[in-house]
Amino acid sequence: GAVVSQHPSWVICKSGTSVKIECRSLDFQATTMFWYRQFPKQSLMLMATSNEGSKATYEQGVEKDKFLINHASLTLSTLTVTSAHPEDSSFYICSASVASGTPSYEQYFGPGTRLTVT
Amino acid sequence: SQQGEEDPQALSIQEGENATMNCSYKTSINNLQWYRQNSGRGLVHLILIRSNEREKHSGRLRVTLDTSKKSSSLLITASRAADTASYFCATALDYKLSFGAGTTVTVRA
Repeated sequence: GAVVSQHPSWVICKSGTSVKIECRSLDFQATTMFWYRQFPKQSLMLMATSNEGSKATYEQGVEKDKFLINHASLTLSTLTVTSAHPEDSSFYICSASVASGTPSYEQYFGPGTRLTVT
Repeated sequence: SQQGEEDPQALSIQEGENATMNCSYKTSINNLQWYRQNSGRGLVHLILIRSNEREKHSGRLRVTLDTSKKSSSLLITASRAADTASYFCATALDYKLSFGAGTTVTVRA
């Protein structure tokens, strides 16, 4: 159980275009989804936290107009990288927290999406 | 934000040996978690230890937590080639996870 999928697994796009990445919880409902970014051989950096039906909360230094996050349902969150540039090339990973009556800090991670902007 | 520091950054051991890595953090936590990441892949949750726990075992994994020193350790016993990966600690507070820099473990056959 607690499987999270991401689509696509990898994408190459041209500079200036926008790219949408989907994150789905397959067998559970996720009240909260998280988006991380990971540069090669580095750790994961939290970009934003999204709760179903409300606006995402972005971490300091993350441009909310560039990284649009939508959490339309309890099983789907999307990250759109707008007007992508080569410096946006990275590994993007989402995670989801299981909805429960009490706080649960366990996050289930998707397999990641490799974005390359040329 | 990244608050954990892991030590060592890289570790190379022979198959069958034990691997130990440490994680230090700066703020209070609700729990601390360890994850494994194979090259270019997603994260696999290994073990979670709550702030009121001191030690936890799961198979060949042993995790300790010392909240007074704000540190944790992960021990992998009887390592296998398949254990080759990067290992990250992550502290949990207010629903958020903050990841350490990771330890890259290479297990030589």
